[in-house]
Amino acid sequence: DAGVIQSPRHEVTEMGQEVTLRCKPISGHDYLFWYRQTMMRGLELLIYFNNNVPIDDSGMPEDRFSAKMPNASFSTLKIQPSEPRDSAVYFCASKNPGQRNTEAFFGQGTRLTVV
Amino acid sequence: AQSVSQHNHHVILSEAASLELGCNYSYGGTVNLFWYVQYPGQHLQLLLKYFSGDPLVKGIKGFEAEFIKSKFSFNLRKPSVQWSDTAEYFCAVTYFGNEKLTFGTGTRLTIIP
Repeated sequence: DAGVIQSPRHEVTEMGQEVTLRCKPISGHDYLFWYRQTMMRGLELLIYFNNNVPIDDSGMPEDRFSAKMPNASFSTLKIQPSEPRDSAVYFCASKNPGQRNTEAFFGQGTRLTVV
Repeated sequence: AQSVSQHNHHVILSEAASLELGCNYSYGGTVNLFWYVQYPGQHLQLLLKYFSGDPLVKGIKGFEAEFIKSKFSFNLRKPSVQWSDTAEYFCAVTYFGNEKLTFGTGTRLTIIP
Protein backbone atom coordinates (compact mmCIF):
# COMPACT_ATOMS: atom_id res chain seq x y z
CA ASP A 1 0.00 0.00 0.00
CA ALA A 2 1.23 3.52 -0.76
CA GLY A 3 0.30 4.76 2.68
CA VAL A 4 -1.84 7.77 3.50
CA ILE A 5 -1.76 10.17 0.58
CA GLN A 6 -2.33 13.89 0.98
CA SER A 7 -2.57 16.59 -1.63
CA PRO A 8 -1.37 19.12 -2.30
CA ARG A 9 1.96 18.98 -0.45
CA HIS A 10 2.21 22.74 -0.43
CA GLU A 11 -0.46 25.38 -0.84
CA VAL A 12 -0.04 29.12 -0.88
CA THR A 13 -3.19 31.18 -1.04
CA GLU A 14 -4.39 34.68 -0.40
CA MET A 15 -6.45 35.61 2.60
CA GLY A 16 -10.14 35.20 1.91
CA GLN A 17 -9.74 32.40 -0.59
CA GLU A 18 -11.19 28.92 -0.18
CA VAL A 19 -8.70 26.15 0.46
CA THR A 20 -9.37 22.43 0.08
CA LEU A 21 -7.00 19.80 1.43
CA ARG A 22 -7.38 16.20 0.37
CA CYS A 23 -6.62 12.85 1.94
CA LYS A 24 -6.74 9.25 0.78
CA PRO A 25 -6.47 6.84 3.72
CA ILE A 26 -4.89 3.42 3.61
CA SER A 27 -7.29 0.93 2.08
CA GLY A 28 -9.26 -0.92 4.73
CA HIS A 29 -8.68 1.68 7.42
CA ASP A 30 -12.02 2.84 8.77
CA TYR A 31 -10.78 5.64 11.03
CA LEU A 32 -9.51 8.90 9.57
CA PHE A 33 -8.05 11.81 11.52
CA TRP A 34 -7.23 15.40 10.58
CA TYR A 35 -4.53 17.19 12.61
CA ARG A 36 -3.08 20.68 12.45
CA GLN A 37 0.51 21.35 13.48
CA THR A 38 1.83 24.78 14.41
CA MET A 39 4.81 25.97 16.41
CA MET A 40 2.58 27.61 18.99
CA ARG A 41 -0.01 24.87 19.53
CA GLY A 42 1.74 21.67 18.48
CA LEU A 43 -0.38 18.85 17.05
CA GLU A 44 -4.10 19.48 17.41
CA LEU A 45 -6.77 16.97 16.48
CA LEU A 46 -9.35 18.77 14.40
CA ILE A 47 -11.82 16.00 13.59
CA TYR A 48 -12.00 12.27 13.12
CA PHE A 49 -14.27 9.92 11.22
CA ASN A 50 -15.31 6.31 11.66
CA ASN A 51 -16.78 4.59 8.62
CA ASN A 52 -17.15 7.97 6.92
CA VAL A 53 -19.14 9.45 9.83
CA PRO A 54 -17.71 12.34 11.87
CA ILE A 55 -17.28 11.16 15.46
CA ASP A 56 -15.68 14.15 17.15
CA ASP A 57 -15.29 17.57 15.58
CA SER A 58 -14.69 19.45 18.83
CA GLY A 59 -11.24 20.43 17.63
CA MET A 60 -12.46 22.31 14.56
CA PRO A 61 -11.50 25.87 15.41
CA GLU A 62 -14.26 27.81 13.69
CA ASP A 63 -17.16 27.52 11.31
CA ARG A 64 -14.76 28.46 8.55
CA PHE A 65 -13.43 24.90 8.81
CA SER A 66 -15.39 21.95 7.49
CA ALA A 67 -14.50 18.33 6.75
CA LYS A 68 -16.21 15.63 4.77
CA MET A 69 -15.69 12.00 4.01
CA PRO A 70 -17.95 11.10 1.10
CA ASN A 71 -16.57 7.57 0.85
CA ALA A 72 -14.08 5.25 2.49
CA SER A 73 -11.21 6.33 0.27
CA PHE A 74 -11.42 10.11 0.32
CA SER A 75 -11.71 12.99 2.74
CA THR A 76 -11.46 16.75 2.43
CA LEU A 77 -10.75 19.55 4.84
CA LYS A 78 -11.99 22.91 3.65
CA ILE A 79 -11.26 26.38 4.95
CA GLN A 80 -13.50 29.16 3.70
CA PRO A 81 -12.52 31.95 3.93
CA SER A 82 -8.89 31.36 4.80
CA GLU A 83 -6.93 33.65 7.14
CA PRO A 84 -3.18 34.06 7.77
CA ARG A 85 -3.53 32.38 11.19
CA ASP A 86 -4.62 29.20 9.40
CA SER A 87 -1.06 28.80 8.12
CA ALA A 88 0.13 25.43 9.41
CA VAL A 89 0.94 21.89 8.37
CA TYR A 90 -2.19 19.77 8.12
CA PHE A 91 -1.79 16.02 8.59
CA CYS A 92 -4.19 13.26 7.80
CA ALA A 93 -3.91 9.86 9.48
CA SER A 94 -5.78 6.59 9.24
CA LYS A 95 -6.16 3.52 11.42
CA ASN A 96 -7.73 0.08 11.35
CA PRO A 97 -8.78 -0.75 14.91
CA GLY A 98 -9.88 -4.17 13.72
CA GLN A 99 -6.20 -4.98 13.42
CA ARG A 100 -5.02 -5.80 16.91
CA ASN A 101 -2.66 -3.40 18.68
CA THR A 102 -2.18 -1.14 15.73
CA GLU A 103 -1.34 2.52 15.42
CA ALA A 104 -2.40 5.47 13.30
CA PHE A 105 -0.46 6.02 10.08
CA PHE A 106 0.24 9.54 8.96
CA GLY A 107 0.43 11.18 5.56
CA GLN A 108 3.18 13.53 4.46
CA GLY A 109 1.13 16.57 5.33
CA THR A 110 0.04 19.70 3.49
CA ARG A 111 1.92 22.88 4.31
CA LEU A 112 -0.57 25.71 4.01
CA THR A 113 0.53 29.32 3.82
CA VAL A 114 -2.11 32.04 3.79
CA VAL A 115 -0.76 35.44 2.83
CA ALA B 1 -10.36 15.27 29.09
CA GLN B 2 -7.47 13.39 27.62
CA SER B 3 -4.16 15.20 27.89
CA VAL B 4 -0.50 14.40 27.53
CA SER B 5 2.36 16.37 29.05
CA GLN B 6 5.87 16.45 27.73
CA HIS B 7 7.93 18.55 30.07
CA ASN B 8 11.08 18.78 27.99
CA HIS B 9 10.55 21.23 25.15
CA HIS B 10 14.06 21.21 23.75
CA VAL B 11 16.84 18.81 24.66
CA ILE B 12 20.40 19.16 23.41
CA LEU B 13 22.80 16.25 23.78
CA SER B 14 26.15 15.17 22.47
CA GLU B 15 26.49 12.00 20.47
CA ALA B 16 26.74 8.86 22.62
CA ALA B 17 24.93 10.51 25.52
CA SER B 18 21.98 8.73 27.09
CA LEU B 19 18.49 10.05 26.51
CA GLU B 20 15.32 10.12 28.54
CA LEU B 21 12.27 12.11 27.46
CA GLY B 22 9.38 12.47 29.85
CA CYS B 23 5.73 11.79 29.08
CA ASN B 24 2.79 11.85 31.47
CA TYR B 25 -0.86 11.30 30.61
CA SER B 26 -4.01 12.25 32.42
CA TYR B 27 -5.81 9.53 34.34
CA GLY B 28 -8.67 7.94 32.50
CA GLY B 29 -8.50 4.21 32.80
CA THR B 30 -6.90 1.71 30.47
CA VAL B 31 -4.58 3.41 28.02
CA ASN B 32 -2.68 2.72 24.85
CA LEU B 33 0.53 4.72 24.56
CA PHE B 34 2.68 5.71 21.62
CA TRP B 35 5.86 7.54 20.78
CA TYR B 36 6.13 9.05 17.32
CA VAL B 37 9.14 10.73 15.75
CA GLN B 38 9.14 13.52 13.17
CA TYR B 39 12.39 14.12 11.31
CA PRO B 40 12.85 17.61 9.87
CA GLY B 41 10.38 18.24 7.09
CA GLN B 42 8.83 14.81 7.31
CA HIS B 43 5.67 13.19 8.60
CA LEU B 44 5.18 11.36 11.88
CA GLN B 45 6.49 7.84 12.13
CA LEU B 46 5.88 5.35 14.92
CA LEU B 47 8.82 4.60 17.21
CA LEU B 48 7.05 2.25 19.59
CA LYS B 49 3.71 1.49 21.21
CA TYR B 50 2.27 -0.03 24.35
CA PHE B 51 -1.06 -1.83 24.55
CA SER B 52 -0.64 -4.39 27.31
CA GLY B 53 1.79 -6.89 28.78
CA ASP B 54 5.44 -6.16 29.48
CA PRO B 55 5.63 -2.50 30.53
CA LEU B 56 9.09 -2.18 28.98
CA VAL B 57 8.57 -1.72 25.27
CA LYS B 58 11.29 -1.85 22.66
CA GLY B 59 10.97 0.07 19.43
CA ILE B 60 12.93 0.84 16.33
CA LYS B 61 16.40 2.40 16.20
CA GLY B 62 17.32 1.32 19.73
CA PHE B 63 14.57 3.25 21.50
CA GLU B 64 12.61 1.86 24.41
CA ALA B 65 9.93 3.15 26.76
CA GLU B 66 8.64 2.10 30.13
CA PHE B 67 5.00 2.27 31.15
CA ILE B 68 4.68 3.04 34.86
CA LYS B 69 1.00 2.93 35.66
CA SER B 70 1.35 4.34 39.19
CA LYS B 71 3.04 7.44 37.79
CA PHE B 72 0.90 7.75 34.63
CA SER B 73 4.18 7.90 32.74
CA PHE B 74 5.63 6.51 29.54
CA ASN B 75 9.16 7.87 29.28
CA LEU B 76 11.25 7.31 26.19
CA ARG B 77 14.88 6.20 26.53
CA LYS B 78 17.89 5.46 24.42
CA PRO B 79 21.26 4.51 25.94
CA SER B 80 23.42 6.16 23.28
CA VAL B 81 22.08 8.75 20.84
CA GLN B 82 23.33 9.44 17.35
CA TRP B 83 23.35 12.61 15.28
CA SER B 84 20.64 11.06 13.11
CA ASP B 85 18.28 11.04 16.12
CA THR B 86 17.87 14.80 15.76
CA ALA B 87 14.11 15.17 15.39
CA GLU B 88 10.94 16.04 17.25
CA TYR B 89 9.44 13.37 19.47
CA PHE B 90 5.76 13.13 20.34
CA CYS B 91 4.07 11.09 23.01
CA ALA B 92 0.43 10.17 22.37
CA VAL B 93 -2.39 8.32 24.11
CA THR B 94 -5.70 6.67 23.40
CA TYR B 95 -8.06 5.41 26.05
CA PHE B 96 -9.71 2.01 25.92
CA GLY B 97 -12.80 2.05 23.77
CA ASN B 98 -11.95 5.42 22.22
CA GLU B 99 -9.84 5.84 19.10
CA LYS B 100 -9.18 9.55 19.69
CA LEU B 101 -5.39 9.96 19.59
CA THR B 102 -4.14 12.87 21.70
CA PHE B 103 -0.60 14.16 21.38
CA GLY B 104 1.73 15.94 23.73
CA THR B 105 3.35 19.19 22.67
CA GLY B 106 6.48 17.43 21.52
CA THR B 107 10.17 17.53 22.49
CA ARG B 108 12.72 18.81 20.05
CA LEU B 109 15.92 16.80 20.29
CA THR B 110 19.17 18.19 18.93
CA ILE B 111 22.22 15.95 18.84
CA ILE B 112 25.57 17.64 18.56
CA PRO B 113 28.19 15.61 16.70
